Amino acid sequence: GENVEQHPSTLSVQEGDSAVIKCTYSDSASNYFPWYKQELGKRPQLIIDIRSNVGEKKDQRIAVTLNKTAKHFSLHITETQPEDSAVYFCAASMTTGRRALTFGSGTRLQVQP
Amino acid sequence: EAGVAQSPRYKIIEKRQSVAFWCNPISGHATLYWYQQILGQGPKLLIQFQNNGVVDDSQLPKDRFSAERLKGVDSTLKIQPAKLEDSAVYLCASSPSLAYTEAFFGQGTRLTVV
Repeated sequence: GENVEQHPSTLSVQEGDSAVIKCTYSDSASNYFPWYKQELGKRPQLIIDIRSNVGEKKDQRIAVTLNKTAKHFSLHITETQPEDSAVYFCAASMTTGRRALTFGSGTRLQVQP
Repeated sequence: EAGVAQSPRYKIIEKRQSVAFWCNPISGHATLYWYQQILGQGPKLLIQFQNNGVVDDSQLPKDRFSAERLKGVDSTLKIQPAKLEDSAVYLCASSPSLAYTEAFFGQGTRLTVV
């Protein structure tokens, strides 16, 4: 089955700095890569996703890049704000074959004011 | 649009007891997932339903866990008997269909086994 590894496990940045979280996946058949944000005690919520037919996607201060050859993808948050503090999870799945999301282990991001 | 509803929010039981969790997905969503999230880890899929049929239960510990979605809407997840290592948050998620990639999560049920 699919295996997703995520680094770092914790990340502390100063407000206004950028944050980068990296994930690798094992199954070359995976073609959908979402990122979820989970605040303490709350449900995971989708913040951005990318499909294997594109290499980069941006939404305001967040962007995701995908390198299919290397089987890794990254989340980039620019101009971080204290409200960005949360746990971020990457995931991978296969839209054909109906395979559910396989999640990484999470990154706790702390944005220091 | 109403989100995924789960109950109870919290449950504390002793080991070897049984427990059941309930999930009501977003109206019209055919696909339903149960995930187990142990503290400090990412969610791990336990079982995936399409309507009332099981698509994937390969990671469900079937000697103690069971799940059903009899009418293709609500679902229940049961643990019997519970072990200490079952302490986790149990997340239910749904999506309109298997081909729809985004999963919408409920708030989860936090289970503590003592």
